[in-house]
Amino acid sequence: GENVEQHPSTLSVQEGDSAVIKCTYSDSASNYFPWYKQELGKRPQLIIDIRSNVGEKKDQRIAVTLNKTAKHFSLHITETQPEDSAVYFCAASGSGGSNYKLTFGKGTLLTVNP
Amino acid sequence: SQTIHQWPATLVQPVGSPLSLECTVEGTSNPNLYWYRQAAGRGLQLLFYSVGIGQISSEVPQNLSASRPQDRQFILSSKKLLLSDSGFYLCAKSGGAYNEQFFGPGTRLTVL
Repeated sequence: GENVEQHPSTLSVQEGDSAVIKCTYSDSASNYFPWYKQELGKRPQLIIDIRSNVGEKKDQRIAVTLNKTAKHFSLHITETQPEDSAVYFCAASGSGGSNYKLTFGKGTLLTVNP
Repeated sequence: SQTIHQWPATLVQPVGSPLSLECTVEGTSNPNLYWYRQAAGRGLQLLFYSVGIGQISSEVPQNLSASRPQDRQFILSSKKLLLSDSGFYLCAKSGGAYNEQFFGPGTRLTVL
């Protein structure tokens, strides 16, 4: 089955700096890659996603890039703010008959210091 | 609508007691439904998923079970809770044209 590795597990940046979180996946047939943000005690919230027919997608201060050849994708947050502090999860869809299941990375705890 | 209801919001149960957590969703018909568990400070573990009424797939063998008696209702149950069942239980749905997955507000379960 699919395996998703996420790095780093913790990331601390100064307000205004950029943050990058990277994920790799194992199943070359995976075609959907969402990112979730989870604040303490809350549900994960879908913040951005990308499908395999594009290499980059941007939404204001966040962007996601996908390299299908290398099987990795990354989340980029620019001009970080304290409210960006949270745990971020990447995920990849399954392939074939299980393409509705997501396999999640273990998460990255992002801390933005004022 | 991506509205997902879960109840109760919090629950404290003794070891060996039964469990029933309910999830109902609004929006498109025949959604895919999921139960996840998240231990404190940990990642998301998929427990069960369902692609239709009465269709349940289990991802992790354990003392939990799931049922889907109606199209938009998903229930997580246990006959006897273990200490290790403590965690944050999240219901999720996906469906529609883009099949994005959205999470409910969760139930925080503490087994004592």
